[in-house]
Amino acid sequence: DIVMTQSPDSLAVSLGERATINCKSSQNVLYSSDNKNYLAWYQHKPGQPPKLLLYWASTRESGVPDRFSGSGSGTDFTLTISSLQAEDVAVYYCQQYYTSPYTFGQGTNLEI
Amino acid sequence: QVQLVESGGGVVQPGRSLRLSCATSGFTFSDYGMHWVRQAPGKGLEWVTSIWYDGTNKYYADSVKGRFTISRDNARNTVFLQMNNLRVDDTAVYYCAKDRSLAAEANDYWGQGTLVIVSS
Repeated sequence: DIVMTQSPDSLAVSLGERATINCKSSQNVLYSSDNKNYLAWYQHKPGQPPKLLLYWASTRESGVPDRFSGSGSGTDFTLTISSLQAEDVAVYYCQQYYTSPYTFGQGTNLEI
Repeated sequence: QVQLVESGGGVVQPGRSLRLSCATSGFTFSDYGMHWVRQAPGKGLEWVTSIWYDGTNKYYADSVKGRFTISRDNARNTVFLQMNNLRVDDTAVYYCAKDRSLAAEANDYWGQGTLVIVSS
């Protein structure tokens, strides 16, 4: 199974500052035939379902603000929020969909 | 608009069964893969199972393999999760999610979730 490890587990960032969350996979999730990284990022707020932010590691889902960006390839990935807003307080998860089981990271709790 | 509505959750004793349903609307159900993801109290998200658009391929987490079965009825735009031999550690909110593709990629729409409590 591919193990997804996020860091840090918890993060406090001031409003307007940059937040960076890392995700490392135990195996490569870059599929050579299409040169795509099979990795997604989700935002999860209490009492709500998770929300897709990014897929293919860096493609922003429709309607997601451009302050959210993703980078990385192979086994190391980063979610960056360029200027933190109050509504960004949530738990963030990475997930690989390269192969079953489609494992999630343990989550990163982002606070102000 | 896309809607996913889970039902069937509740309190059940260990060893018993429960069947969850996820009724969908607002998209061509038969064109997309579907998933179940759960979150135990105080824990993170855990992928449970996936089914391709036509039901030909199904995948399960090791923690539920042999006990849970995913299925879909493309005529009724509904995906199901049959959960047998439930254990206390199956207690969680169960989310139904739509895939972006016909198979298994990222999950672009999610239901509100249904709570399953396994307790004696």
